[in-house]
Amino acid sequence: LAKTTQPISMDSYEGQEVNITCSHNNIATNDYITWYQQFPSQGPRFIIQGYKTKVTNEVASLFIPADRKSSTLSLPRVSLSDTAVYYCLVAGNLFFGTGTRLTVIP
Amino acid sequence: NAGVTQTPKFRILKIGQSMTLQCAQDMNHNYMYWYRQDPGMGLKLIYYSVGAGITDKGEVPNGYNVSRSTTEDFPLRLELAAPSQTSVYFCASTLLDTGELFFGEGSRLTVL
Repeated sequence: LAKTTQPISMDSYEGQEVNITCSHNNIATNDYITWYQQFPSQGPRFIIQGYKTKVTNEVASLFIPADRKSSTLSLPRVSLSDTAVYYCLVAGNLFFGTGTRLTVIP
Repeated sequence: NAGVTQTPKFRILKIGQSMTLQCAQDMNHNYMYWYRQDPGMGLKLIYYSVGAGITDKGEVPNGYNVSRSTTEDFPLRLELAAPSQTSVYFCASTLLDTGELFFGEGSRLTVL
């Protein structure tokens, strides 16, 4: 199973773009990469999923290089409401890592 | 659609008591999971199921039991509650094991 590694925490000012990188060196050929957002006292919520190159939706972008050993979640122009914990999960792998605690500063 | 429904939302137990956390989903998902989350920590997998009648252990199964008699329901049983089981419990489901996980709102359990 592909273990994921993320920074424990990040701070950003409102309005900036935030990039959170996840390492998943042992990813298997068929695995997708999925990102979740969790607010305090709530269950994680799906943000985005991708297999390779770039995926964009109304909330975020996901960049995956050709070797697929890492991925980067990009949040454009963050606001205070984006303060949360973000988890990278290799789909099919049931184990969540510690996640990245993002704090957005006014 | 209600999605994933967990009951109760809050519960206080005394040491040694037993209880069942209920989880139901109405999306006809085959895969269901139970996680626990301690304060300030990530989610740890307790048990999971890939379909009715099939269950398997996750990272932290000790002190818990599950059953999956129907596609919709995946109850988590705590036997002989201990303070170490004080946590927030999340149930999740997905149609395919590579797909989006849908989480319930969580059940906050305190063992005193």
